[in-house]
Amino acid sequence: KQEVTQIPAALSVPEGENLVLNCSFTDSAIYNLQWFRQDPGKGLTSLLLIQSSQREQTSGRLNASLDKSSGRSTLYIAASQPGDSATYLCAVRTGGGADGLTFGKGTHLIIQP
Amino acid sequence: KAGVTQTPRYLIKTRGQQVTLSCSPISGHRSVSWYQQTPGQGLQFLFEYFSETQRNKGNFPGRFSGRQFSNSRSEMNVSTLELGDSALYLCASSLVGTAAGNYGYTFGSGTRLTVV
Repeated sequence: KQEVTQIPAALSVPEGENLVLNCSFTDSAIYNLQWFRQDPGKGLTSLLLIQSSQREQTSGRLNASLDKSSGRSTLYIAASQPGDSATYLCAVRTGGGADGLTFGKGTHLIIQP
Repeated sequence: KAGVTQTPRYLIKTRGQQVTLSCSPISGHRSVSWYQQTPGQGLQFLFEYFSETQRNKGNFPGRFSGRQFSNSRSEMNVSTLELGDSALYLCASSLVGTAAGNYGYTFGSGTRLTVV
């Protein structure tokens, strides 16, 4: 059964810093990995989708990498801003997909002005 | 382009009642899946529908059920509500179902269900 772990659970940094969020998964037979952000009481906003054949994806100040063989992904946020404060969730779609998306518990990020 | 629409946004129900939640996917998306989010368990997969057929189901009791209509809209039903069913219920749509695998999901804003 796929399990997804996100480290750290919470992170607070000053504005302007570059930061890295980590995600690991136990079953490397994935179709893809998706990073989301969730603002308090809201739904999920998709940030980046990485296919299993890809190594990384970039969107603006965000860069996500995928190392399928080691079961790891990182989300890099450059020049952080207070508006980046949210919970970041990592989710994998495992081969066969019987369990839909499997999510980590998220990293709660606070960017201090 | 309209996103995934979930109604209602908030619901308060009494233990023992039943509830129906609705989800309208992005136009052209034929796969709809449902997730439950609670502070303790995080996001958990409920079920996925594609072309009006349930393709996958998570580890939830039979009180949780769903269906999909020919226009891809989906409803989720919970019968005999329990206090532990209080959660944010999220719906997600995708272009194709599990078999294709290589498409991401777009989520709605969710329905906040409170059982008292």
